[in-house]
Amino acid sequence: NAGVTQTPKFRVLKTGQSMTLLCAQDMNHEYMYWYRQDPGMGLRLIHYSVGEGTTAKGEVPDGYNVSRLKKQNFLLGLESAAPSQTSVYFCASSYASGGAASTDTQYFGPGTRLTVL
Amino acid sequence: AQSVTQLDSQVPVFEEAPVELRCNYSSSVSVYLFWYVQYPNQGLQLLLKYLSGSTLVESINGFEAEFNKSQTSFHLRKPSVHISDTAEYFCAVSDGVSGGYNKLIFGAGTRLAVHP
Repeated sequence: NAGVTQTPKFRVLKTGQSMTLLCAQDMNHEYMYWYRQDPGMGLRLIHYSVGEGTTAKGEVPDGYNVSRLKKQNFLLGLESAAPSQTSVYFCASSYASGGAASTDTQYFGPGTRLTVL
Repeated sequence: AQSVTQLDSQVPVFEEAPVELRCNYSSSVSVYLFWYVQYPNQGLQLLLKYLSGSTLVESINGFEAEFNKSQTSFHLRKPSVHISDTAEYFCAVSDGVSGGYNKLIFGAGTRLAVHP
């Protein structure tokens, strides 16, 4: 049981390049999330998904796209990277326990450190 | 809109001393409160959470937090810290009307540094 895994662990891009971050979970969770972590700002939600084939915007979605073609995978894409997207990216997943979804524990991956030059 | 304020960005403390990490939130509705911990070079993991019932919640490694509705606080405490508690601690809040998904609002984090 690997939990939540993220690929790659590190990446350096040049401005304007594109890339995709992969998140995979083996806990059969319905909900998945992408966050970015910046110094002094905590974690901010980029996009999330409440089930296979569905995605929605979070707090800071601009410049990112996502897809959830399979329940266990959640992809985060940067079409044209900018230096402002230099950050550590975390994927998380959780159960959907019914009406009180806000109570569910989120399980985080180890993160991807992205630098955009 | 909800917000979370962690009053200290860094807390240095000696081993076996007590520690309190402060967290205040703003919300006009019922809330659920969480503390997550991030050890160096790792992802976040849940330390403890308050959903309802007793206002004092405990973790398996000796931390506790008390929900104080009148002061809108959820401070984290430990009576005696270990070197292994060195980590960054995040307070987070979600409300009961978030549209069916577990939207968490995180504080900026408090870096706890335990010195021998």
